[in-house]
This record gives sequence, structure tokens and C-alpha cells, in this order.
Amino acid sequence: GAGVSQTPSNKVTEKGKYVELRCDPISGHTALYWYRQSLGQGPEFLIYFQGTGAADDSGLPNDRFFAVRPEGSVSTLKIQRTERGDSAVYLCASSLFLDTEAFFGQGTRLTVV
Amino acid sequence: ELKVEQNPLFLSMQEGKNYTIYCNYSTTSDRLYWYRQDPGKSLESLFVLLSNGAVKQEGRLMASLDTKARLSTLHITAAVHDLSATYFCAVEGKRNYQLIWGAGTKLIIKP
Repeated sequence: GAGVSQTPSNKVTEKGKYVELRCDPISGHTALYWYRQSLGQGPEFLIYFQGTGAADDSGLPNDRFFAVRPEGSVSTLKIQRTERGDSAVYLCASSLFLDTEAFFGQGTRLTVV
Repeated sequence: ELKVEQNPLFLSMQEGKNYTIYCNYSTTSDRLYWYRQDPGKSLESLFVLLSNGAVKQEGRLMASLDTKARLSTLHITAAVHDLSATYFCAVEGKRNYQLIWGAGTKLIIKP
């Protein structure tokens, strides 16, 4: 596709459930980033992938959060035992290389009820 | 710890007016970005500022950077309704892939 694609665009889940959020980066982009944006705030860094490996996952808030990028393209952010405080827009971005312009997807709005 | 502050957080203005959004950051950084976000849409990159005194302009928007003051400004000239959006500044943290973001400035331009 032409841009970064995230699915689903909206997800409502019950507290305690498991969710997966998907990101399709721009084809050929080696770097992929996940951010979380709470209402009225700027995005917060979660994790950065270079190729298949998570180069830095220091932004993940706790061990309920995990992300993978097994083939160096599509990435999945996984959240276990969701809590109401996890409600936010989860943004994915990709860039050709580390120091090049990052392009953002439209985000997945996660609501935990 | 790097912190980024924007002001104002909300701005309502009339078409044709000029205004400036300010972005302050707390520690030295090599790169500053301005992004635009429309409701339900992606973050769109507007400017990347790399050095002290850098100035970039695109249409009615002009961004500048003063690294000594740790201040960037986004100036809007003769605003038009289409510029209504939320504008974010973001600064590279200790690791250059970690952007630290301001809270955003919601700009509403009334026709």
C-alpha cells in the first residue's frame, strides 16, 4: 500500500481480555515504531524495531505489552489482561532507515470497558 | 529527562490573522519536528529542523529553531480555515529514534 496501515481502526474490549493490534508498514521500510497517544496528549514511545528485532522496548509500560515483527515487515502489538488505563490510540510508524522521515498510520483506537 | 512543552494548548482565531505556537524543550537535542494531525487521521510531518537558526517555510506556515534557547516556533501567517488541526512538536531524545512529544496545540480557525 501507499502508506502505513493499521488494523483495526477501532477496538472495544472488556477488561481482562487479550488484544492484538496490527501494523503494515510502507514496503521496504526497515524501521518500525509503536507509540501510544492518550486523549489530549502527545504520543509516547513504546518500542522500536530494526528489521525483525526489537532494538528498544524500553517504552513498553509493563510485561502485559509485547510486540513482534517476525519477518521484518508486519508488526503486531499484543496486550494481555487489558486494563481500562490501556485505553488510548496506538500509533505505528515506519521509516526507510533509522534516521529518515517516519510516516505514521492512522492509529488503532483501543477502548477497554 | 527531556520534556517538551507547547503553548498554547488551544487556540481559536479568525481567518486572516497571524499567530505563533511555541515549543520549549528541556535538554539539548539534535533534531526537532513539527507535525500536523487532523481528527481521525495520521500524523503528517511538516518540518524537520536540524540546526540553530534553522528556518523552514511551507505556504502559510514557518518554523524556526533556537537551540540555545531550546525554543522552536511555528508561525501562521494570514490563517485560513484549512489550517485547522492539532499541531505537535517532537524532539529527539537520548536515542534518536525516540521522539519526545509536546501535548499538541489544537488550532481552530473560524471562517
